[in-house]
Order: sequence, then structure tokens, then C-alpha cells
Amino acid sequence: GAVVSQHPSRVICKSGTSVKIECRSLDFQATTMFWYRQFPKQSLMLMATSNEGSKATYEQGVEKDKFLINHASLTLSTLTVTSAHPEDSSFYICSARIGQDEQYFGPGTRLTVT
Amino acid sequence: GESVGLHLPTLSVQEGDNSIINCAYSNSASDYFIWYKQESGKGPQFIIDIRSNMDKRQGQRVTVLLNKTVKHLSLQIAATQPGDSAVYFCAEKAPGGYNKLIFGAGTRLAVHP
Repeated sequence: GAVVSQHPSRVICKSGTSVKIECRSLDFQATTMFWYRQFPKQSLMLMATSNEGSKATYEQGVEKDKFLINHASLTLSTLTVTSAHPEDSSFYICSARIGQDEQYFGPGTRLTVT
Repeated sequence: GESVGLHLPTLSVQEGDNSIINCAYSNSASDYFIWYKQESGKGPQFIIDIRSNMDKRQGQRVTVLLNKTVKHLSLQIAATQPGDSAVYFCAEKAPGGYNKLIFGAGTRLAVHP
């Protein structure tokens, strides 16, 4: 089946630093990947759509300068949280699209900003 | 804006019983729907999907029903097991480019022995 990995699974950083999260499709190529964030006991909220070779498309209210997305290859997208603050602490999840509709999700990255 | 919502925030069932999780969607133009299972601390796991040209689709122990007239989606789990305990999300594919998904609020399923 389609496998999506994320790295790291957990990260703790100090306020003001930047953190990079990687999302990889392991056994397929994905021209489109998605980044979500999820607060405790809440649903997934789409942050941005990442397209290989082009700029990401951000959802309304998501700061593109704070959440930098790079989709450098057909198997890798990265999300960098710049100048992280405690309110950025969340569960970040990526997904990769197969075909026209199906999305397969990574295991998520727990970010804690102290 | 358009959204996908759920009728029940929590559902408790006895092991072996059948479970039904409901979802309402508001975008009549949506043509693809998915159910995901999410265990604590993990990413969503695909369960089953259905397109708008169908009203029922069956998988292993799971059935998804789609009622386009009332814009309602349900997930039925037969012979619920403790391993089915998780949060279940419905999602709809938003019309337009990139095929992004809109997720519902989620229902927690608790299976008791």
C-alpha cells in the first residue's frame, strides 16, 4: 500500500527557533502533498497544498512567511515553522495524493515549543 | 462557509455490536467522500470511500452509505471490536482545484468488552 512517512515524530524547540518537518512518500510519487495541523481533540485543519516544482497554496489565515513549504521532489515536501512560539505547538500531519482523489496520511509530528 | 459536520461527538458500544457513525455535509457539489480512523497520536488511516454516483459501498466489516437527498453520510462497523476504538472522521473533497479535503469534527468510538 501507499506509505507516507514524517520526520521527526516528535520535536521540542525553544521559542524563537525554527523547526523543519519532512514528509516523504515512500513507494510512490506525489505531485501534490497537503499539510494539516490538529489541536488536541479537534479535527484536521488544512494549512496548505504543496505542489512539486511550484509555490504552495496556503489556506486563508495561514501565514506563508511563518510556515514555509518546499516541495523539492516528487517524494519529499518540507514544512518549516519559523520563529516558533508556544501557540504553534500542535500535531502537524502531511498527506500525499495518489491519482485524482485518494490521500494517504503520514503518522504526524508532535511539535512542542517551550 | 461549507463544512462537514457530525451528529454525535462520542459513541460507546459493546464489543460485538454494530456501530453507526453519522456525518452531515453541506456542499451539494461534493462528489467524493472518505472515512478515516485516527488512533491517539497517529495520522488518519483510510477506511473506505464512496463517490457521489453510488449510495452504498462495502468493505471488510465496514459499510458506507451516502444519501445525497439529505446530504448525509454514515459509516457502519459490523461486530465492533476493541481495536476499532478510535476517532472517526468523515471528509469531503472540496470542489475546485487541488482536490483538497474538508474534515468533519470527528466522533470518538469507545468499544467496551
